[in-house]
Amino acid sequence: AQSVAQPEDQVNVAEGNPLTVKCTYSVSGNPYLFWYVQYPNRGLQFLLKYITGDNLVKGSYGFEAEFNKSQTSFHLKKPSALVSDSALYFCAVRGRAAGNKLTFGGGTRVLVKP
Amino acid sequence: AAGVIQSPRHLIKEKRETATLKCYPIPRHDTVYWYQQGPGQDPQFLISFYEKMQSDKGSIPDRFSAQQFSDYHSELNMSSLELGDSALYFCASSTPTGNYGYTFGSGTRLTVV
Repeated sequence: AQSVAQPEDQVNVAEGNPLTVKCTYSVSGNPYLFWYVQYPNRGLQFLLKYITGDNLVKGSYGFEAEFNKSQTSFHLKKPSALVSDSALYFCAVRGRAAGNKLTFGGGTRVLVKP
Repeated sequence: AAGVIQSPRHLIKEKRETATLKCYPIPRHDTVYWYQQGPGQDPQFLISFYEKMQSDKGSIPDRFSAQQFSDYHSELNMSSLELGDSALYFCASSTPTGNYGYTFGSGTRLTVV
C-alpha cells in the first residue's frame, strides 16, 4: 500500500523568509510525486511533479521540490515566501502502473505573516 | 485551456435523499478519479474509471455508485444520504499513466441536512 506523511500540521513563516513543507512517502517501486495547493473553498491546484530525471523539480509560483530516494522524501520549498502563499498544501504519491490512484498526505497549512 | 468540469458546484440534500454528481474530464483524458474531502481532512480516494471500466476502488460506501460514460464523463450517485456524507467531492482526470499529473475539478460541495 502507498502512503504519504506530512509531519507538520502547520508551518508559520515570515514573508520573505524561506519556506519548507516536509513530505515523506512509501510506495512500491519508483514513485510519481506531486504537490498540490488548496485555497479555502477551492479545488486542488497542481504545483509540481517528479516523474523522472533531475531530483530538483521546479514548479509554479516559484516553488520547487527535491526528490530524495534514499530518504523517501519530497520536500516542497520556496526561497522567499509571500503572504499569498498562505494555503493548505498536499503532497501526493502514486505508483507507476497505469490507473494507480493518487494518495494524499494529511496536508500542511502554511501561514505566511507580513 | 479546458479544465475538469464538475456540476453542480453546491448541493444541499436532506437525509435519506439521493444525489448525483457529474464530472466532465479534460478532452483526451480517459481516466477519471473521485475523491471525498471532509472538513479539515485530506482527500480520500473513492473510485476510478479507465475507458469506462472501474479501475480501482477505495473507501466508497455501498450506498454510492459511479460509472463512466461513452463520452468519458462520469457520475457519482449517492443514495440514502447521511449527515456524514457532507463533504467536498472532487473529480480528477488524467491520461492512463498519469505522469502528466492529475487535473482536479473545483469540486462539488454537498451538504446533507
